[in-house]
Amino acid sequence: GAVVSQHPSWVICKSGTSVKIECRSLDFQATTMFWYRQFPKQSLMLMATSNEGSKATYEQGVEKDKFLINHASLTLSTLTVTSAHPEDSSFYICSASMLNTGELFFGEGSRLTVL
Amino acid sequence: AQSVSQHNHHVILSEAASLELGCNYSYGGTVNLFWYVQYPGQHLQLLLKYFSGDPLVKGIKGFEAEFIKSKFSFNLRKPSVQWSDTAEYFCAVKALYNNNDMRFGAGTRLTVKP
Repeated sequence: GAVVSQHPSWVICKSGTSVKIECRSLDFQATTMFWYRQFPKQSLMLMATSNEGSKATYEQGVEKDKFLINHASLTLSTLTVTSAHPEDSSFYICSASMLNTGELFFGEGSRLTVL
Repeated sequence: AQSVSQHNHHVILSEAASLELGCNYSYGGTVNLFWYVQYPGQHLQLLLKYFSGDPLVKGIKGFEAEFIKSKFSFNLRKPSVQWSDTAEYFCAVKALYNNNDMRFGAGTRLTVKP
């Protein structure tokens, strides 16, 4: 099946620093990528939808200046958590929508811990 | 935006018992429906999906789900669970023509006792 890769899988950073998470579709082109956040023992919360070459659409309550999303190509989207704080510690998951079928494939997730 | 409800937060079954997990959604338009599974320490995997056609869909590992449009439901079933089915199960709904975004239910934790 199609593969979506996230990097890094784990990241620990100091409060106030910025962290970039990459999401790549390895063997298919993705028109749309989605970024989710999963809190412990809870479901996935959609943060934003990003379409290649255009600005991301953020869900209500998600700060676009804090969670910068760039979707520069049909195989890569990045999420940058700017000036991270401990409350931003979470599990971030991306998914990519295959160009022709619309089927979603999920990355393995990135665990962010902000000290 | 659409919303998704999973009624059971935690289900505990013995091996060989039958399973049914409820999923209801609220959206009047055309939808694609999914069930995902997340085993402990692993990432999400697709169990099955419904796009169109036969409302009874079969997925991997013996799971199936039935789309009942009039009830806005897409319940997941398995006739006989195994210990290895212990995991978190998420129902998801993709609203077509509405930014195609995907919404997830809160998840149901299934524990199967050996």
